[in-house]
Amino acid sequence: DAMVIQNPRYQVTQFGKPVTLSCSQTLNHNVMYWYQQKSSQAPKLLFHYYDKDFNNEADTPDNFQSRRPNTSFCFLDIRSPGLGDAAMYLCATSRDIGRALTEQYFGPGTRLTVT
Amino acid sequence: AQTVTQSQPEMSVQEAETVTLSCTYDTSESDYYLFWYKQPPSRQMILVIRQEAYKQQNATENRFSVNFQKAAKSFSLKISDSQLGDAAMYFCAYRYSQGAQKLVFGQGTRLTINP
Repeated sequence: DAMVIQNPRYQVTQFGKPVTLSCSQTLNHNVMYWYQQKSSQAPKLLFHYYDKDFNNEADTPDNFQSRRPNTSFCFLDIRSPGLGDAAMYLCATSRDIGRALTEQYFGPGTRLTVT
Repeated sequence: AQTVTQSQPEMSVQEAETVTLSCTYDTSESDYYLFWYKQPPSRQMILVIRQEAYKQQNATENRFSVNFQKAAKSFSLKISDSQLGDAAMYFCAYRYSQGAQKLVFGQGTRLTINP
């Protein structure tokens, strides 16, 4: 089945130690998103890729970076994780076809713990 | 900036009964989309129902329906014949119709189904 896959599902990292989360999709969607969802809070968009174009949200800390080497894969890099970065990170994809109402498909998320 | 407010952090309903989850939003735009997403415990977020702002008719998907009041900027979700599998966190989300497909989420409502 076509889907959005996130690896790993659970990640533990040390304070200040760089970590990379990965997302892959078999939907061939041109837009990929990364959301941060802290406990009992709403998902918050960090950035998204429209094809190869990177779009950062204004309030996303510089500590967060992203790479999209091809259509199928997208990575979230946290350069120096702090305790406040512990959260669920959700990857989502969509096919942008202009004004048409398209939905976002979400992966299961990666729960990041910072020790 | 657009904001989405869900005023009910938690709701509960007896199995087979009907429950309504509330959502209000703030926007200066006239053309946009609204969504309800369901996030079951430890599972990925999935789309429940969506509504285009230009459509006056309320969207319906099987047991799920919405009451869209554009002038009041209200978008409530009604779940009929509640089932145990409906237990989840429900998020209301807003998306502008043009440009980036950025979703703005409400804080969520945790729905419990009592057998």
